[in-house]
Amino acid sequence: DAGVTQSPTHLIKTRGQQVTLRCSPKSGHDTVSWYQQALGQGPQFIFQYYEEEERQRGNFPDRFSGHQFPNYSSELNVNALLLGDSALYLCASSSSPTGLAFFGQGTRLTVV
Amino acid sequence: KQEVTQIPAALSVPEGENLVLNCSFTDSAIYNLQWFRQDPGKGLTSLLLIQSSQREQTSGRLNASLDKSSGRSTLYIAASQPGDSATYLCAVSSGYALNFGKGTSLLVTP
Repeated sequence: DAGVTQSPTHLIKTRGQQVTLRCSPKSGHDTVSWYQQALGQGPQFIFQYYEEEERQRGNFPDRFSGHQFPNYSSELNVNALLLGDSALYLCASSSSPTGLAFFGQGTRLTVV
Repeated sequence: KQEVTQIPAALSVPEGENLVLNCSFTDSAIYNLQWFRQDPGKGLTSLLLIQSSQREQTSGRLNASLDKSSGRSTLYIAASQPGDSATYLCAVSSGYALNFGKGTSLLVTP
């Protein structure tokens, strides 16, 4: 079992650009959640996808959007990047919306 | 809004010591509480999950307790080892989202 996999592992973007991050859930999991972790902080919930729909959203602007595909994999898109978007982006999968969460290794996004 | 606080923010202990990490939360209406470990620049590894109806969970040298009424959880690490050095995060689930504390950075010195 490969667990939760995220790609890419590192990314450098310029302010104003757009970025797409990808996540493949653990085998047997149908729910994917995304978190943003700034340096020295705990992860902050962005949104959760279940059955290809956004089930819940945290306090993030509309520049942050996502998608879940029929195979349960997911993408996180961020438009009009700001310097403050620099963070570790974590994907978590679970077998249900409130089930035990397994996290990937994250994507380190640096906006310059 | 659920607020999660972890004390202390950092801790340094000599190898072999037993230690306790603390987590408090403001809203007792939770589904479960999880403790995670995070190595520098890496993802989160789940250590223990306590359902809201449970009082404690044990895994090897780790023991986590939950007192929902007082909004507190503790993670007890027995006989600490240098390999335990990492940041430990507490997360509370009140629905679909996990609410995290800022973590306790643990350093175990040989």
